[in-house]
Amino acid sequence: KQEVTQIPAALSVPEGENLVLNCSFTDSAIYNLQWFRQDPGKGLTSLLLIQSSQREQTSGRLNASLDKSSGRSTLYIAASQPGDSATYLCAVKNNDMRFGAGTRLTVKP
Amino acid sequence: NAGVTQTPKFRILKIGQSMTLQCTQDMNHNYMYWYRQDPGMGLKLIYYSVGAGITDKGEVPNGYNVSRSTTEDFPLRLELAAPSQTSVYFCASNAQGTLNSGNTIYFGEGSWLTVV
Repeated sequence: KQEVTQIPAALSVPEGENLVLNCSFTDSAIYNLQWFRQDPGKGLTSLLLIQSSQREQTSGRLNASLDKSSGRSTLYIAASQPGDSATYLCAVKNNDMRFGAGTRLTVKP
Repeated sequence: NAGVTQTPKFRILKIGQSMTLQCTQDMNHNYMYWYRQDPGMGLKLIYYSVGAGITDKGEVPNGYNVSRSTTEDFPLRLELAAPSQTSVYFCASNAQGTLNSGNTIYFGEGSWLTVV
């Protein structure tokens, strides 16, 4: 049974800092891993999708890496901004798709 | 292209009532999912479907039923609503092919359900 864990549960940083969010999973036989952003009271927005054969994906200030053998992924956010404040969730795809509990990020001006 | 559409957006149910959350997607995706999200928590998988006529239980299926008679629709039914089913429900879909494929998952906007 796939278990997905995200650390830390919450993170508060000053504007401009670079930061790393962590995601770990127990079953490495995944098809892909995705990172999502969720704003309060809203749905989920996909940020980055990494296929199982890939090591990383980049989009603007975001970079996600995947180490399938160790069951880990990181989301790196460069030069954080107050608008980045949200909950970030990772999800891994086997036959179904399992989510971590998320990291609640606050970027202070 | 509407993506994933869920209805209703908000609903209040009395204990013991039944209702169906509707979900439809127009992207011809074979995989569809239902999740619930409790306050401050991640998403828990209720049921999923890999194609029309096929459904499977997720992490928290008790108290729910699903059907997948068409590729487009994946309704979620609550037969005897309980306060523990108060949550936000999200429907999602994606395409899935070979082991190394698997496209972005698309979510509906959510259905806020309160059982009193």
